[in-house]
Amino acid sequence: DVKVTQSSRYLVKRTGEKVFLECVQDMDHENMFWYRQDPGLGLRLIYFSYDVKMKEKGDIPEGYSVSREKKERFSLILESASTNQTSMYLCASNSPGLISYEQYFGPGTRLTVT
Amino acid sequence: QKEVEQDPGPLSVPEGAIVSLNCTYSNSAFQYFMWYRQYSRKGPELLMYTYSSGNKEDGRFTAQVDKSSKYISLFIRDSQPSDSATYLCAMKPLSGTYKYIFGTGTRLKVLA
Repeated sequence: DVKVTQSSRYLVKRTGEKVFLECVQDMDHENMFWYRQDPGLGLRLIYFSYDVKMKEKGDIPEGYSVSREKKERFSLILESASTNQTSMYLCASNSPGLISYEQYFGPGTRLTVT
Repeated sequence: QKEVEQDPGPLSVPEGAIVSLNCTYSNSAFQYFMWYRQYSRKGPELLMYTYSSGNKEDGRFTAQVDKSSKYISLFIRDSQPSDSATYLCAMKPLSGTYKYIFGTGTRLKVLA
């Protein structure tokens, strides 16, 4: 059974804190994605990685950075958390060879910044 | 104008009803069309995908793509309370980008 896991389901942080969100996939997928999901705005891509140490900015990268040191692990970093980063964060992975182009999602991390 | 428009609902239907969920889009380059189902407090999971135009059926679910109208639909027959979830459409060009464009999701509630 394929699996994408995220380090925390719920997280509460203070403004200005550095926040790490971890994502691990066990499917040997090349591609990994970080999205945020907000009501009325849908899923918006923050960053994408297509290989170890390779990354591309998505639509809303400001205030975020990422790290991919191992193929199975993709980390999202909020350098200095702000209240407007309160959101649901979803990690996903897939392989470019998949016919379905399916993305496999983790359960999400609901982050609250106070 | 958003690239993908989806009515957010909520949509409430009685058990056994036929449900129609829809998305419209503006980018004619989209070739892959997907429907994801997202239960409360869970990540989205792929329900169906279609390539280019046409219909695809899987059990109680049918996905339709009309590229001439830039309109996609998901039909659920004999809806069940377990179908209560948010349904997200997603689209992607055939090549040249890794980006998937998601609709905002339609919240569906099937009443027992």
